[in-house]
Amino acid sequence: AQSVTQLGSHVSVSEGALVLLRCNYSSSVPPYLFWYVQYPNQGLQLLLKYTSAATLVKGINGFEAEFKKSETSFHLTKPSAHMSDAAEYFCAVSAPMDTGRRALTFGSGTRLQVQP
Amino acid sequence: GAGVSQSPSNKVTEKGKDVELRCDPISGHTALYWYRQRLGQGLEFLIYFQGNSAPDKSGLPSDRFSAERTGESVSTLTIQRTQQEDSAVYLCASSLFSSGGARETQYFGPGTRLLVL
Repeated sequence: AQSVTQLGSHVSVSEGALVLLRCNYSSSVPPYLFWYVQYPNQGLQLLLKYTSAATLVKGINGFEAEFKKSETSFHLTKPSAHMSDAAEYFCAVSAPMDTGRRALTFGSGTRLQVQP
Repeated sequence: GAGVSQSPSNKVTEKGKDVELRCDPISGHTALYWYRQRLGQGLEFLIYFQGNSAPDKSGLPSDRFSAERTGESVSTLTIQRTQQEDSAVYLCASSLFSSGGARETQYFGPGTRLLVL
């Protein structure tokens, strides 16, 4: 079964600093991978997704993530944090295609704080 | 509609009561999902609909939980005889369907926050 591990339940950075949120996955076959962001009292919004095209994926709001099969990682980065980036971030992996399942498996989330 | 909508936004109920949560997916999205998010945790998958049928119910935690979908549109999640551990945010998502696996983006509603006293 697939799983997702997000290292660090809380990450704090200064405004303008690099943002790095870590995600490692476990899957029996190359998966599809997603990063979602959740602002307070809102639903989840897709930041970016990897669907086996380019390994470096660019998303909204200046975020990007790189799929590294050898490291089973899909870390999320942003060169310069803004105050508006403060939110909770979830990494998710799709079910293997041959299972016919469509559910996403989510990590436990990383809360990003941005200090002025 | 423009996005996925859910109602009610908040629900407080007493232990043992039944509750119904509603989801209106994006028009034209044949796939619909229910997830549960407990405080401080990630999302747990509950059930997936393709059209009006539910090929994957593997995440429903007990037989107190059920869901249906009608007209390839609205879905209702019902929790019978609620327990305090059912307190969570229940999120609905919808997506287009692709034959190439779960690559389609799931669009989430704002959720229903359920509190069982």
